[in-house]
Amino acid sequence: QSALTQPASVSGSPGQSITISCTGTSSDVGGYNYVSWYQQHPGKAPKLMIYEVSNRPSGVPDLFSGSKSGNTASLTISGLQAEDEADYYCSSYTSSNTVVFGGGTKLTVL
Amino acid sequence: EVQLVESGGGLVQPGGSLRLSCATSGFTLGNYEMNWVRQPPGKGLEWVSHISSSGSAIYYADSVQGRFTISRDNAKNSLYLQMNSLRVEDTAVYYCARDLGWGSGFDYWGQGTLVSVSS
Repeated sequence: QSALTQPASVSGSPGQSITISCTGTSSDVGGYNYVSWYQQHPGKAPKLMIYEVSNRPSGVPDLFSGSKSGNTASLTISGLQAEDEADYYCSSYTSSNTVVFGGGTKLTVL
Repeated sequence: EVQLVESGGGLVQPGGSLRLSCATSGFTLGNYEMNWVRQPPGKGLEWVSHISSSGSAIYYADSVQGRFTISRDNAKNSLYLQMNSLRVEDTAVYYCARDLGWGSGFDYWGQGTLVSVSS
């Protein structure tokens, strides 16, 4: 199972919006509404930010939103803050009864 | 408060074995599916294995199939990962993670335990 494709890095200024893409295939992202997004700060465990494409767990600000079109899912952060600087990973359930992660995207807040 | 605490990591030679444990608290383990996810130093996340709430359904990544065994003891609130025939490429921080529902997402993670495979 190949990893989902994410951009290696994205950046934005405080207050701006950014979008991170996550591209898979019809056997994973495109085939199921089971895409999740995780935030990971250095030396910390990942934190769930979005599940089932567009749902936010309790406590996650509504600045974070998720969507999907075809084989590509997206995470949008509206109104960047300094504390949003972190690595972001997407994941998807697959037709092989496994989970596959993306390679990760480093978000830099300028 | 939900807590997941991994233990059992350490340095092991190639071909060796290690057993990881994940002690859970703050929720009823028997009501949740669980997973192991690993992260090599400086690299991305890789899903390793999944076990259903009763233990009746188990899945593995191709990279560990036949070498790793996931198990659970709901009465002891614990999840386990038996790792045999370890390879250098198994070096990683291993996290246990609670499932919202198989495929839905991992809502709670432990702090991780480092496994280093080296001669």
